[in-house]
Amino acid sequence: DTEVTQTPKHLVMGMTNKKSLKCEQHMGHRAMYWYKQKAKKPPELMFVYSYEKLSINESVPSRFSPECPNSSLLNLHLHALQPEDSALYLCASSQAGGKYFGPGTRLLVL
Amino acid sequence: QKEVEQNSGPLSVPEGAIASLNCTYSDRGSQSFFWYRQYSGKSPELIMSIYSNGDKEDGRFTAQLNKASQYVSLLIRDSQPSDSATYLCAVGVDSGGSNYKLTFGKGTLLTVNP
Repeated sequence: DTEVTQTPKHLVMGMTNKKSLKCEQHMGHRAMYWYKQKAKKPPELMFVYSYEKLSINESVPSRFSPECPNSSLLNLHLHALQPEDSALYLCASSQAGGKYFGPGTRLLVL
Repeated sequence: QKEVEQNSGPLSVPEGAIASLNCTYSDRGSQSFFWYRQYSGKSPELIMSIYSNGDKEDGRFTAQLNKASQYVSLLIRDSQPSDSATYLCAVGVDSGGSNYKLTFGKGTLLTVNP
């Protein structure tokens, strides 16, 4: 089973809202990732968790806050976002190989 | 600055033909190479991975790697309209733990005409 699940599929939020994106994988992968993808652009890495510890933060603004509660779950907490943060947010996992992406959360910030 | 270059396309081929997608990369330390397929509005799907020089075949897909030339390609035989998508080349460097840090190309849009 090479499935990564993400909720919600779509999210509309105002600039003063707080929301969270959730990701889950049951492949036993020890690395999990958050990517952001704008239309007609490749995915951009935001965060990497390795063995449940944050190992890479690609200079992401603090209005994005990741959390890894356990080896299967990854959250991305959102607060005070800007309209330019509207994008497809992708979770991925890997184990010494290619990354498997979830279906993504399409976020619109109004 | 690590770079991965792909022709943006669109690449248009007739149904049943061979589609050839190319990718070059700048970092000679790159260790892993991947091709992803992304349909419009969907997330990237891993279709091929290759780690050593030569060819790797999986069904209608063949990945080719030449580290000396810093070149990786994807051939799709007997192209079908359902293969119409954007193909992303991704190149990885081991960043410790169990993960590679990937650099993505901008993608090539492939259209297969019935």
